[in-house]
Amino acid sequence: DTGVSQDPRHKITKRGQNVTFRCDPISEHNRLYWYRQTLGQGPEFLTYFQNEAQLEKSRLLSDRFSAERPKGSFSTLEIQRTEQGDSAMYLCASSPRGGNTIYFGEGSWLTVV
Amino acid sequence: GQQVMQIPQYQHVQEGEDFTTYCNSSTTLSNIQWYKQRPGGHPVFLIQLVKSGEVKKQKRLTFQFGEAKKNSSLHITATQTTDVGTYFCGPDSSYKLIFGSGTRLLVRP
Repeated sequence: DTGVSQDPRHKITKRGQNVTFRCDPISEHNRLYWYRQTLGQGPEFLTYFQNEAQLEKSRLLSDRFSAERPKGSFSTLEIQRTEQGDSAMYLCASSPRGGNTIYFGEGSWLTVV
Repeated sequence: GQQVMQIPQYQHVQEGEDFTTYCNSSTTLSNIQWYKQRPGGHPVFLIQLVKSGEVKKQKRLTFQFGEAKKNSSLHITATQTTDVGTYFCGPDSSYKLIFGSGTRLLVRP
């Protein structure tokens, strides 16, 4: 049983560059979530998908952020024109149909220099 | 939306001592989930509480949901160094979890 997989695990980028993170949820989990976590804080909800539909987006998700889940399986989170304040761990999670336990991936660390 | 506050923010205990963290909400919660995040790791699900007054145990961990479903607690008996980490609570709000700020536990060996 593979867990939620995220790639890359670490990314260092220059301010102004675009970055993309990929998430592969647990097989057959229909809901997929993106959270952001900074040091000393709890994970902050960004957005979630049910199958391929993006059902909710946080106000934290500025227009520089876009998430997709085109076939209802893997998802990508793109950040355009990165800023230093975007430095954080981006956590992907999934949950099964009919359940509400969320299973997190190991996260993708982003450092914007 | 549903928000929770966790206290304390931080606790440093001697190995063998007990530890409790509290999760409080101003509104009635439909359920509460608890997660543990080890340093450098990702949150891992511990338990979900749904019923008013519910108490669940996992070895040395005891989870409680208040009668009014506005607060919850996690109690660890006789802490061990493996308990080190940050413990988060979060209500499930329309299929998404809204996490508290967490309680960071350090254990002195």
